[in-house]
Amino acid sequence: DTVLTQSPALAVSPGERVTISCRASESVSTGMHWYQQKPGQQPKLLIYGASNLESGVPARFSGSGSGTDFTLTIDPVEADDTATYFCQQSWNDPFTFGSGTKLEIK
Amino acid sequence: QVQLQQCGAELVKPGTPVKMSCKVSGYTFTSYVISWIKQTTGQGLEWIGYIYPESGSTGYNEKFKGKATLTVDKSSNTAFMQLSSLAAGDSAVYYCAREGAYGYLDYWGQGVMVTVSS
Repeated sequence: DTVLTQSPALAVSPGERVTISCRASESVSTGMHWYQQKPGQQPKLLIYGASNLESGVPARFSGSGSGTDFTLTIDPVEADDTATYFCQQSWNDPFTFGSGTKLEIK
Repeated sequence: QVQLQQCGAELVKPGTPVKMSCKVSGYTFTSYVISWIKQTTGQGLEWIGYIYPESGSTGYNEKFKGKATLTVDKSSNTAFMQLSSLAAGDSAVYYCAREGAYGYLDYWGQGVMVTVSS
């Protein structure tokens, strides 16, 4: 299975720029997607196809990458962005998810 | 608006099965694949499999073959997942989600918390 590796946690101040990385154990082309999950809620799609902003998601969120290295950027960060962010690949079977990056806003 | 409605929680005894539902509204049920996902604190998010409501065709993560069975009822716009022979490791939150064209999951149910305990 394709393993997706994310750093476990980050802490930033409001107004700053934050990048969350996801590295795949094999190429996933641009079949990478990003989700935000707040406690007690279901995940919410932010970015699909590595760099496409889901409808209704603020333009502060952006994604980049292809192959094995991907980045989710939030600029500027707001207090409401406190959440865990997951990457998910759909290029290889089975779909797999990263373990999540917990973002704390200081 | 698109909604995937799941029931709240299940407490089940070890060795018994559980069947959960995912009722869809706000779009044409037969036009999109439904995926099922397991979430635990320890293992994170795991994709269980998918079902295409139009044909009933399914695909499973090898890890969940024999554990999960996916079905649909087109008359009620509802997808189902049955989990067999439950054990402690099956305790989790289970989500259904609508799958977009490139394998992303654009709408999620609120999840069902399954607790396996005697």
